[in-house]
Amino acid sequence: EVQLVESGGGLVQPGGSLRLSCAASAFTFSDHYMDWVRQAPGKGLECVGRIRNKANSFTTEYAASVKDRFIISRDDSKKNSLYLQMNSLKIEDTAVYYCVRERIPGRWAYDIWGQGTMVTVSA
Amino acid sequence: QSVLTQPPSVSGAPGQRVTISCTGSSSNLGAGFDVHWYQQFPRTAPKLLIYGDNNRPSGVPDRFSGSKSGTSASLAITGLQAEDEADYYCQSYDSSLSGGVFGGGTKLTVL
Repeated sequence: EVQLVESGGGLVQPGGSLRLSCAASAFTFSDHYMDWVRQAPGKGLECVGRIRNKANSFTTEYAASVKDRFIISRDDSKKNSLYLQMNSLKIEDTAVYYCVRERIPGRWAYDIWGQGTMVTVSA
Repeated sequence: QSVLTQPPSVSGAPGQRVTISCTGSSSNLGAGFDVHWYQQFPRTAPKLLIYGDNNRPSGVPDRFSGSKSGTSASLAITGLQAEDEADYYCQSYDSSLSGGVFGGGTKLTVL
């Protein structure tokens, strides 16, 4: 079964760091652009950022709200995994973070979603 | 304030047809970028419902359809069923922001 499974969420103090992981299975991970989407409690969806595939040099894009604080990376070799390094966390970063696959690279439609992992930033 | 504007809520009786609008601008829908639609039930991850303006992934009933014209898009649901009660989000790309953007979401209530 095609699947994405996130891990690494938790409680962190403002200014702290956290690294989320997302394990992919049952599809050719290396072909796809991969993204992170978040949803604050009771709020809508927000694109956090994306990482392109090897054919497109693994380049990244970030939402203005997280640029220079968050870093997206991927391991296409053995682990088929996506990562989100979150630094200088703010209270407003509190959200469920979803790992998602772009159905067609570059076209933004997210056809596979992980179950989400909760990140709470609080003192 | 979302880049794509959706009504906060819509409602309809079982069997009826409802539409959910998504209004953008010249830097997203009006520029011809694809619009996609997602369905989300409480405490679960969203599910892709429509991609590329009007295409349904395998397994999505043909009661769901999408359309786009100019700076607006719509999701239509015909033969409304109780299990359609959920939140619905539109999504596109915005060239001014250089990134993906979502609408604020619409809560569908089946009366």
